[in-house]
Amino acid sequence: GENVEQHPSTLSVQEGDSAVIKCTYSDSASNYFPWYKQELGKRPQLIIDIRSNVGEKKDQRIAVTLNKTAKHFSLHITETQPEDSAVYFCAASKRGTGRRALTFGSGTRLQVQP
Amino acid sequence: EAQVTQNPRYLITVTGKKLTVTCSQNMNHEYMSWYRQDPGLGLRQIYYSMNVEVTDKGDVPEGYKVSRKEKRNFPLILESPSPNQTSLYFCASSLRGVDGYTFGSGTRLTVV
Repeated sequence: GENVEQHPSTLSVQEGDSAVIKCTYSDSASNYFPWYKQELGKRPQLIIDIRSNVGEKKDQRIAVTLNKTAKHFSLHITETQPEDSAVYFCAASKRGTGRRALTFGSGTRLQVQP
Repeated sequence: EAQVTQNPRYLITVTGKKLTVTCSQNMNHEYMSWYRQDPGLGLRQIYYSMNVEVTDKGDVPEGYKVSRKEKRNFPLILESPSPNQTSLYFCASSLRGVDGYTFGSGTRLTVV
């Protein structure tokens, strides 16, 4: 089955700096890669996703890159702000496998220091 | 408002006392799934459902049951809860299962 590894487990940056979180996946058939943000005491919320036919996707200060050959994808947050502090989860899935519709990484706790 | 509704938000129970956590979505999503979240382990899938009367095990199904009699509802049943089932539980739904999932607010369960 799919296995998703996420690094680092914790990340502390100064406000205004960039943050990068990396994930690797094991199943080359995976074709959908979402990222979720979970603020303290709240539910995970989808912030951006990418499909395997695209190498990069941006949404304001957030971008995701995908390297299918190396089987890794990354989340990039630029000009970080204190409200970006949260736990971020990457995930992977592939069409037609409802059982493992989403396999999550173990999460990265991002702390943005004012 | 499109949402996934879980109840209760908090629950403290004793070992062996059957309980049900309800989950309902109003988006006509086909896929629904239950996850448990434990520190350092991320989100682990318990059970999922692809449609009415279609359910299957996820990564950690032991000690749990589910049913999907209606498209909108996907309750999680603990027939005989044990302390190792103390966790934060999330229900989530997705239109097709391989697109964005919408999560409920979570249920924090403590089994003593």
